[in-house]
Amino acid sequence: EPEVTQTPSHQVTQMGQEVILRCVPISNHLYFYWYRQILGQKVEFLVSFYNNEISEKSEIFDDQFSVERPDGSNFTLKIRSTKLEDSAMYFCASSGGSGSAQHFGDGTRLSIL
Amino acid sequence: AQTVTQSQPEMSVQEAETVTLSCTYDTSESDYYLFWYKQPPSRQMILVIRQEAYKQQNATENRFSVNFQKAAKSFSLKISDSQLGDAAMYFCAYRSAHAGNMLTFGGGTRLMVKP
Repeated sequence: EPEVTQTPSHQVTQMGQEVILRCVPISNHLYFYWYRQILGQKVEFLVSFYNNEISEKSEIFDDQFSVERPDGSNFTLKIRSTKLEDSAMYFCASSGGSGSAQHFGDGTRLSIL
Repeated sequence: AQTVTQSQPEMSVQEAETVTLSCTYDTSESDYYLFWYKQPPSRQMILVIRQEAYKQQNATENRFSVNFQKAAKSFSLKISDSQLGDAAMYFCAYRSAHAGNMLTFGGGTRLMVKP
């Protein structure tokens, strides 16, 4: 069964550095999402992406964050000037249509030191 | 804004028994979707079951079924004949039918299955 894959599984970065989290959505899916889960808290929506542009974003997704689909297969989340509070599990998801169920990757654990 | 609440941080069940996980939500919308996702340790979230709010019939997927009470804004998950592989975090999630695709999650319930 097709899966959403995320790399790396764990990323350790110094505060203030930039980090790029990578995702390969399911190949025929058109909608892409990023969520995050700070330890002990709920999974929170960050952003959705369709037709090469952001379709929806939360208050969390400020100028520090950006997303990109650099080629036909990858979907990336860039976090600039990382802060300690950016430490979290970041999940990528994709869906075939706007009403379809979202399929999640294993997540990337981001640790900011 | 919509909120989703899972009031049981942890539940345990004996293997082969039945367990029910609770979920309530708050919304002013009439058209929406509800989901249960399962997250085994160190694994991805897997969709367990989905319910459209306009359907009165409760969704069922093999051993998993829901009790959807729209008026009460309640969406519980029943797992029958529990198996060791059912041990996981279970998340309830809400999505509007007309206002974007974002999922709003509950805090999760950790289910332990005792052999």
